[in-house]
Amino acid sequence: TQLLEQSPQFLSIQEGENLTVYCNSSSVFSSLQWYRQEPGEGPVLLVTVVTGGEVKKLKRLTFQFGDARKDSSLHITAAQPGDTGLYLCAGVNTGTASKLTFGTGTRLQVTL
Amino acid sequence: NAGVTQTPKFQVLKTGQSMTLQCAQDMNHEYMSWYRQDPGMGLRLIHYSVGAGITDQGEVPNGYNVSRSTTEDFPLRLLSAAPSQTSVYFCASSYSFRISYNEQFFGPGTRLTVL
Repeated sequence: TQLLEQSPQFLSIQEGENLTVYCNSSSVFSSLQWYRQEPGEGPVLLVTVVTGGEVKKLKRLTFQFGDARKDSSLHITAAQPGDTGLYLCAGVNTGTASKLTFGTGTRLQVTL
Repeated sequence: NAGVTQTPKFQVLKTGQSMTLQCAQDMNHEYMSWYRQDPGMGLRLIHYSVGAGITDQGEVPNGYNVSRSTTEDFPLRLLSAAPSQTSVYFCASSYSFRISYNEQFFGPGTRLTVL
């Protein structure tokens, strides 16, 4: 069974701080997705990274896929209370189509 | 479009009872799946379907059955509920199983407690 470990598990910061969430595996994935989940709702896709070394930016969020396609990171600049939620990485393997292997999750709380 | 809908939102069962969690999507998506979410374990795949009439097991299929008679519906059946099945269940769909990085759309979840 492939595992995706996320760190940290919990993160509580103040508005305006920067943070990085890590997603690590011993397995290679063909692509990796990041989702955000708010209480009482299902996960919502933020980004998909496909190429080793790829960096994608969505406003204050920067996503990076490791060169070896075994790890990824999410960096948030100047966090805001609206960033609060559970962040999940999910790996996709070539040949298993849409089957996702989810990470353990990072719960982020941003306070004023 | 309503997207992915799930019913019920909450359910309490006694050990040994059976029930069906409903899932429907109105996006004509080919691929549908069921996950369970437990604290500290992310989401784990229970069963999935790549089209009407085709289903397959995921990572944690024991104790659950599925069927897919139409493109729209993908119900999950608990045959004899056990306390270990207490969890939050999510249904998801995506446009095509042939595209490995297409977006999966999730329903709002069903919170199930088995006493």
